[in-house]
Amino acid sequence: QVQLVESGGGVVQPGRSLRLSCAASGFTFSSYGMHWVRQAPGKGLEWVAIIWYDGTNKYYADSVRGRFTISRDNSKNTLYLQMNSLRAEDTAVYYCARDIRDGYYFDCWGQGTLVTVSS
Amino acid sequence: QSVLTQPPSVSGAPGQRVTISCTGSSSNIGAGYDVHWYQQLPGTAPKLLIYGNNNRPSGVPDRFSGSKSGTSASLAISGLQTEDEADYYCQSFDSSLSASRVFGGGTKLTVL
Repeated sequence: QVQLVESGGGVVQPGRSLRLSCAASGFTFSSYGMHWVRQAPGKGLEWVAIIWYDGTNKYYADSVRGRFTISRDNSKNTLYLQMNSLRAEDTAVYYCARDIRDGYYFDCWGQGTLVTVSS
Repeated sequence: QSVLTQPPSVSGAPGQRVTISCTGSSSNIGAGYDVHWYQQLPGTAPKLLIYGNNNRPSGVPDRFSGSKSGTSASLAISGLQTEDEADYYCQSFDSSLSASRVFGGGTKLTVL
């Protein structure tokens, strides 16, 4: 079955960096675009970034553009999110999610990893 | 401030029917982009509930249904059950933003 497992979250000081990973299994990873979506404590869902199936195109939310970088390694079935210059407002659970391009929606989600930005 | 607008909360008794609205604009729902719905049970990841306005993934009970008209969409839940108590999010695509998927702010459903 399709499985997405995030890792790499933790507590980090403002201005520092963190890299999240999302290990995919149960499907042909290289055939699907992938997203990062985040959820601040007690808040709603916020789309963060998308990377196309082959890594050729990447798009970001205004709130993270220039600070976050989405990437993927199709040989390792893994999605990444490099987060630099972290701010308190980046504190959230970060989910990876599989893209359904024809309909612009997410059909599978990981369990999430918590990132806390605090001094 | 979410791009799509949902009521913060709705409630209903077991067995009743409730609806959750999702209002967008001419750059997302009104532009013809589909609306999708996700259910988030307490402490868990979101789960796809409705896709393409009114389609249910395998395993989702037919008590859940969706509709779309103009710049708005709705999620209906009939025969409410206690296990339906969760947060519900609508989602669409917005052409004014780069490849942007947009969400509603979420609606907390309480089963009385």
